[in-house]
Amino acid sequence: GDSVTQMEGPVTLSEEAFLTINCTYTATGYPSLFWYVQYPGEGLQLLLKATKADDKGSNKGFEATYRKETTSFHLEKGSVQVSDSAVYFCALSYNQAGTALIFGKGTTLSVSS
Amino acid sequence: DGGITQSPKYLFRKEGQNVTLSCEQNLNHDAMYWYRQDPGQGLRLIYYSQIVNDFQKGDIAEGYSVSREKKESFPLTVTSAQKNPTAFYLCASSARTGIGNTIYFGEGSWLTVV
Repeated sequence: GDSVTQMEGPVTLSEEAFLTINCTYTATGYPSLFWYVQYPGEGLQLLLKATKADDKGSNKGFEATYRKETTSFHLEKGSVQVSDSAVYFCALSYNQAGTALIFGKGTTLSVSS
Repeated sequence: DGGITQSPKYLFRKEGQNVTLSCEQNLNHDAMYWYRQDPGQGLRLIYYSQIVNDFQKGDIAEGYSVSREKKESFPLTVTSAQKNPTAFYLCASSARTGIGNTIYFGEGSWLTVV
């Protein structure tokens, strides 16, 4: 079945370090891809998305490119801040009515000053 | 402000009891969802609804029930048949299902069995 695999955490970085969180997917069709962020004790917020191959989603300094050839959607940020500490979820959904999001297990990021 | 409101934030359930988690949205969205989050497990879909008076089972529907009598409301009942209900429950909505629609989440409800 369809699935999303993320790198295991926790990821621990110092402030201003470069961030990469790997995400790969398995899908039978052509899904849209998403990154969501969850701050402690809160719900999920959409961080960025890409709806077709080679699209780049970006928001708040984060970027991810939809790579069909490698079935990947890695999240990157050039310089992380303490406030970026959260759990990050990669997800996919199909461009069809009647489908919901399929999530990865989440990657915890901890940034220290 | 538009958004999704879940209540209660924290709920304790005794063994053998049914409990209902409330979810209300004022975004005029057609589709609504319930997810369960366990540590290290990510989010798993319980039920979703594309339109009023219609809903479908997700991956882990056993022991749960829902209703969709109004567009803005999608309550989740955790029944006594759910063997391990302690978890964080997230309600969500989108304009429609699929089609790359952004799904918006509520703040979540913590359910603990005592």
